[in-house]
Amino acid sequence: QKEVEQNSGPLSVPEGAIASLNCTYSDRGSQSFFWYRQYSGKSPELIMFIYSNGDKEDGRFTAQLNKASQYVSLLIRDSQPSDSATYLCAVSQDSSYKLIFGSGTRLLVRP
Amino acid sequence: DAGVTQSPTHLIKTRGQQVTLRCSPKSGHDTVSWYQQALGQGPQFIFQYYEEEERQRGNFPDRFSGHQFPNYSSELNVNALLLGDSALYLCASSWTGEDEQYFGPGTRLTVT
Repeated sequence: QKEVEQNSGPLSVPEGAIASLNCTYSDRGSQSFFWYRQYSGKSPELIMFIYSNGDKEDGRFTAQLNKASQYVSLLIRDSQPSDSATYLCAVSQDSSYKLIFGSGTRLLVRP
Repeated sequence: DAGVTQSPTHLIKTRGQQVTLRCSPKSGHDTVSWYQQALGQGPQFIFQYYEEEERQRGNFPDRFSGHQFPNYSSELNVNALLLGDSALYLCASSWTGEDEQYFGPGTRLTVT
């Protein structure tokens, strides 16, 4: 079992729709959760982080965390073609400084 | 506010050679982490430097070594290069009091 799992996709949504990206993690000691966006040929860009159960909203992005289910998600409202990228979920564990990444979900937003 | 910078952008080396990659952290950050990203995979943690010492190391062989300088910049050295070392090498900086890590543009290493 991988430590952080994501569906590789591609997840295809029409422009203006809500894109829902999901991530599960195996270590119950995980404390901090991050979403990075990576365009092809570029480096990852931090777009959201969440530390507590519940929802956190920032503009068109909402991160959702459920520690009991070991599940974190990212919702992108009013999806735009420019949102087409690979979205990486990352987790840091208690007493550890490293980020553990999933393999990413590729999102395609159709005009 | 300068972000994380890395050099060089691209590098081509031959098997058995050695390489040094460089990173300058974002202004105000004191911690540097290095990651290796193979094509189609998420970044894999190599190590983290804080106060000029290696604070944590991932599952990488001793061929991978690093250094942090008093100005918080960092180097990643890889000896005896293998074909499998071909990847995007990412530097991430952070402030020790926070968990968020911000990546530089990366160095694309190709080993032939």
